[in-house]
Amino acid sequence: AQSVAQPEDQVNVAEGNPLTVKCTYSVSGNPYLFWYVQYPNRGLQFLLKYITGDNLVKGSYGFEAEFNKSQTSFHLKKPSALVSDSALYFCAVRDNSGAGSYQLTFGKGTKLSVIP
Amino acid sequence: DAMVIQNPRYQVTQFGKPVTLSCSQTLNHNVMYWYQQKSSQAPKLLFHYYDKDFNNEADTPDNFQSRRPNTSFCFLDIRSPGLGDAAMYLCATSREPQGIQPQHFGDGTRLSIL
Repeated sequence: AQSVAQPEDQVNVAEGNPLTVKCTYSVSGNPYLFWYVQYPNRGLQFLLKYITGDNLVKGSYGFEAEFNKSQTSFHLKKPSALVSDSALYFCAVRDNSGAGSYQLTFGKGTKLSVIP
Repeated sequence: DAMVIQNPRYQVTQFGKPVTLSCSQTLNHNVMYWYQQKSSQAPKLLFHYYDKDFNNEADTPDNFQSRRPNTSFCFLDIRSPGLGDAAMYLCATSREPQGIQPQHFGDGTRLSIL
């Protein structure tokens, strides 16, 4: 079975400082990995994905994520946090081996608060 | 802009009174999904349609049903809502169910049960 862990329920960071939101995954085959952001009373918005190739992927709003196969991680990063980045962040995984579920499995989410 | 639209954004119903939530898309995607999301939790997949083929998750209660009359529209029917069904319901679409493209989400319908 595939699974995602987001070990931190909440991350607080000062505006202008770098931010990291952690994600680790487990799949039987190779992973397709995604990050989504959710603002209050809104749906999930796609930020970035890793499918194959370069381990560092760049996405919307200055976010990037690094795929680390040996550590089975896909941490979300941004060099300089903005107050407007405050939101709920979800990591998600799909197993591309065909043996796993077609379904997208989400982590429980990490609430990011950027302090002015 | 191509998008996923959910109506209404807020829905209040009475305990046991049937309710229908709607979703439409202009993306012309093959797959439409319904998720249930309770406060600050991960979205939980209820079911999805791949074209006209309906796929129910094993742990989705019988109380929840869905209809997809055409490519653009999909409905979530809750036959007899209980207090535990109060949640945000999210509709999403994708081109293929196992593809590399991300799912596109609507802004959700927040359902309250009186």
